[in-house]
Amino acid sequence: QVQLVESGGGVVQPGRSLRLSCAASEFTFSSYSMHWVRQAPGKGLEWVAIIWFDGTNKFYADSVKGRFTISRDNSKNTLYLQMNSLRAEDTAVYHCARDFGNIYDYNPRGWFDPWGQGTLVTVSS
Amino acid sequence: AIRMTQSPSSFSASTGDRVTITCRASQGISNSLAWYQQKPGKAPELLLYAASTLQTGVPSRFSGSGSGTDFTLTISCLQSDDFATYYCQQYYSYPLTFGQGTKVEIK
Repeated sequence: QVQLVESGGGVVQPGRSLRLSCAASEFTFSSYSMHWVRQAPGKGLEWVAIIWFDGTNKFYADSVKGRFTISRDNSKNTLYLQMNSLRAEDTAVYHCARDFGNIYDYNPRGWFDPWGQGTLVTVSS
Repeated sequence: AIRMTQSPSSFSASTGDRVTITCRASQGISNSLAWYQQKPGKAPELLLYAASTLQTGVPSRFSGSGSGTDFTLTISCLQSDDFATYYCQQYYSYPLTFGQGTKVEIK
């Protein structure tokens, strides 16, 4: 069964940095593009970033562009999100999610299945 | 960015009801739409993609329709397990965007 397990969340002061990880198992990680999606407490879903299966392309939401960096290590089956210059409005549960498409599509399909349970990031002084 | 607007934001229904949720895109997105179900404290789960294609394992009481800017999610006979929040999401262009969600509560 496909598993995505996020880690690295916690409480951090505004302006500081944090790196999230997403450990993938039970599928060929290197064949799938991956996303980060976040959900502020009591709010809806917000897409954050995507990285192609081979790391060649990345896109970001305008709200995080220039502050967050998505990356991956296919040898470790792990997805990352480096978050710098954190703001109070970045407080959310961060989910990693697998793109529905795979290497044979080359370009991501753009919808998500499955999702990890998420890790909570709280930005507060 | 393409704005996705769902209606209603919430409503109450009874087991056995037929319910419909609407999702409208701020510009045409062809059929590039997915629907998700989320229960409290859980990750969202994919229900449909390409507006009307049911994800493997999803009960057939769920169905989707629409193209262009207007889409619907229908649950033909509401079950107790269906009380949850539902989100639409467009994947026509980046940034990928979601509707604000529709919470289906027990009447």
